[in-house]
Amino acid sequence: NAGVTQTPKFRVLKTGQSMTLLCAQDMNHEYMYWYRQDPGMGLRLIHYSVGEGTTAKGEVPDGYNVSRLKKQNFLLGLESAAPSQTSVYFCASSPTGRRTFGANVLTFGAGSRLTVL
Amino acid sequence: AQSVTQLDSHVSVSEGTPVLLRCNYSSSYSPSLFWYVQHPNKGLQLLLKYTSAATLVKGINGFEAEFKKSETSFHLTKPSAHMSDAAEYFCVVSLGSGGYQKVTFGTGTKLQVIP
Repeated sequence: NAGVTQTPKFRVLKTGQSMTLLCAQDMNHEYMYWYRQDPGMGLRLIHYSVGEGTTAKGEVPDGYNVSRLKKQNFLLGLESAAPSQTSVYFCASSPTGRRTFGANVLTFGAGSRLTVL
Repeated sequence: AQSVTQLDSHVSVSEGTPVLLRCNYSSSYSPSLFWYVQHPNKGLQLLLKYTSAATLVKGINGFEAEFKKSETSFHLTKPSAHMSDAAEYFCVVSLGSGGYQKVTFGTGTKLQVIP
């Protein structure tokens, strides 16, 4: 049982290049999330999805796009990378977002470290 | 609105001594609270969660946390630190709103364990 798998683990881009990060989960979770982690700032939500075919903006969505064509996959795209997008990106999933205490336990991937030169 | 404040960005303890990582939260309603741990170059792993049952919550690896509503705190403790506890710890508050639970992370506390 792999849980949440992110690819690639590392990537170096030049300013203006595009790329896609892939997140795959095998737990049949409804909700999926993309976070970025920067020193001293904790994790900030970029986009999230409450189910197949749906996406929504988080706290810091600018410069990113996402798609959830299949329930198990959540893609994060950078159309024109900027140095400010140098970060570690984490994907997470949860069974549901409903207001059930404890239901929203997040399972995280191992992270994707992106450097934009 | 909700927020979470981790009062120390770095904590250093000697191996075998107690660990205290402090977390205060702000929430309009009763939230769910979590502690996650992140070892170097790894993802985040759930340590423990509070979900309105017992106020003293036991987690993995000997950690526990006590929910104190009057102090709006959820501090993480461990009686005796081990070298393997060196990591970054995140306090997290989760509050339901309609069909989506808003999850807010603290900025993290790096725990150093000195041999």
